[in-house]
Amino acid sequence: QKEVEQDPGPLSVPEGAIVSLNCTYSNSAFQYFMWYRQYSRKGPELLMYTYSSGNKEDGRFTAQVDKSSKYISLFIRDSQPSDSATYLCAMSAPGGGADGLTFGKGTHLIIQP
Amino acid sequence: DSGVTQTPKHLITATGQRVTLRCSPRSGDLSVYWYQQSLDQGLQFLIQYYNGEERAKGNILERFSAQQFPDLHSELNLSSLELGDSALYFCASSVGAGGSAGEQFFGPGTRLTVL
Repeated sequence: QKEVEQDPGPLSVPEGAIVSLNCTYSNSAFQYFMWYRQYSRKGPELLMYTYSSGNKEDGRFTAQVDKSSKYISLFIRDSQPSDSATYLCAMSAPGGGADGLTFGKGTHLIIQP
Repeated sequence: DSGVTQTPKHLITATGQRVTLRCSPRSGDLSVYWYQQSLDQGLQFLIQYYNGEERAKGNILERFSAQQFPDLHSELNLSSLELGDSALYFCASSVGAGGSAGEQFFGPGTRLTVL
C-alpha cells in the first residue's frame, strides 16, 4: 500500500463546475498537508497549505483535512479552462527529521470550455 | 515565479557520465530540498539541506550527492548515470526546518536526459 493514494484521472468537467480532488494516506504521522498545481513540464505551484483538520479557503479554492479518516480534499469553485493541470497532494511529518514531502501521483484535471 | 531558480533547464548526457544541477533558494530561505519526478515513480524526495548541513535523506541513490554552500545555493551531483536517471529534477526551498519548516516553493526544474 502506498503512503499516499490519489486517483490519476483524467478528470474532465465543464467550465464553471465545482471540482473535487481527493487523497487518502496511511501514515498517521503526517501533520502538514499541501496541494500543488503543476502545468506540463513546469515546477509545482503551491495552492494550499494546511495543518489542522477542517477547512481552509483561499479564493476559489477550499482545502479540507480529515485526520481521523486520513483523507484530504481540494475543491475548486467556478472552474476555468486555465485550471486544467495536474493537481498533486503532498504531506509531511516534520519534527522527526523528515521534512521532505510525500506526494500523491497527481490527478490530471481537464476543464472543458 | 516562486523565487527559486535552477540551472540548467535541460541537460542531455550519456550513460556513465556525471552532471551537476544547481539551485538558488528564495531570499531568506534556509532549507533546500531536491526531488526527482519520473513518469512511473511520481515526485520523490531525495535530500534536504538546512543552513549548510544535511538534514534528511529520502530515496537518494548512493551515486547521487548534494551540498549546500555558505551562500545557501545547493548543487545536486549525479554520477555514473543510467538510462533510468532520466527525469525532471526539482529544487524547493522553505524558511526553516522541522516544525518551523513552512511552505515549500519549487523551482522550474532541470530536465535530464541520459542517452
